[in-house]
Amino acid sequence: NAGVMQNPRHLVRRRGQEARLRCSPVKGHSHVYWYRQLPEEGLKFMVYLQKENIIDESGMPKERFSAEFPKEGPSILRIQQVVRGDSAAYFCASSHKGYYEQYFGPGTRLTVT
Amino acid sequence: KQEVTQIPAALSVPEGENLVLNCSFTDSAIYNLQWFRQDPGKGLTSLLLIQSSQREQTSGRLNASLDKSSGRSTLYIAASQPGDSATYLCAVKGGTSYGKLTFGQGTILTVHP
Repeated sequence: NAGVMQNPRHLVRRRGQEARLRCSPVKGHSHVYWYRQLPEEGLKFMVYLQKENIIDESGMPKERFSAEFPKEGPSILRIQQVVRGDSAAYFCASSHKGYYEQYFGPGTRLTVT
Repeated sequence: KQEVTQIPAALSVPEGENLVLNCSFTDSAIYNLQWFRQDPGKGLTSLLLIQSSQREQTSGRLNASLDKSSGRSTLYIAASQPGDSATYLCAVKGGTSYGKLTFGQGTILTVHP
């Protein structure tokens, strides 16, 4: 009865590199959400995906960030050409349906040096 | 645009006290409201979920109430223990984007022996 899994738990990247964050939802959940928690700030919504579709990306930065949730495999949050301001904790959540309770993973802590 | 505010920002109490954490939101058109707990450097643990049609939910020493019309929720913790020390987050789901959660900044609770 595994919950939401995220990997890696910690990721260090140099400025200009790419970061790939993975999220495996609760078994049977087809809705995935990504949130970002910047230092000393609250959790902010980034993107909401349902299998193979982006439902709401209103919180995603316009450049360098992308997300996918393929038919098979985990959801991926990709950050290209990382900058120091991308250093944050990135949390993934999943739910059975869009308006159901969300379950959160342990997060990936990204550090950009 | 939904905004969520939590008061107080921090709270320190002696063990055994009953306490109340407050959450207010600006758009009353919500589907549900969740209370979470976050320990330092960790993910989020869902404590209670209240649907918009409900007035309160209880789990053990925790009781959450919801007054949708006034845009308020409270989390009541009875007989607090040092192990309750954590950041408590309130999040609402609803409005035009039914998937995403909008979070408050959190209340940092310290229960000292």
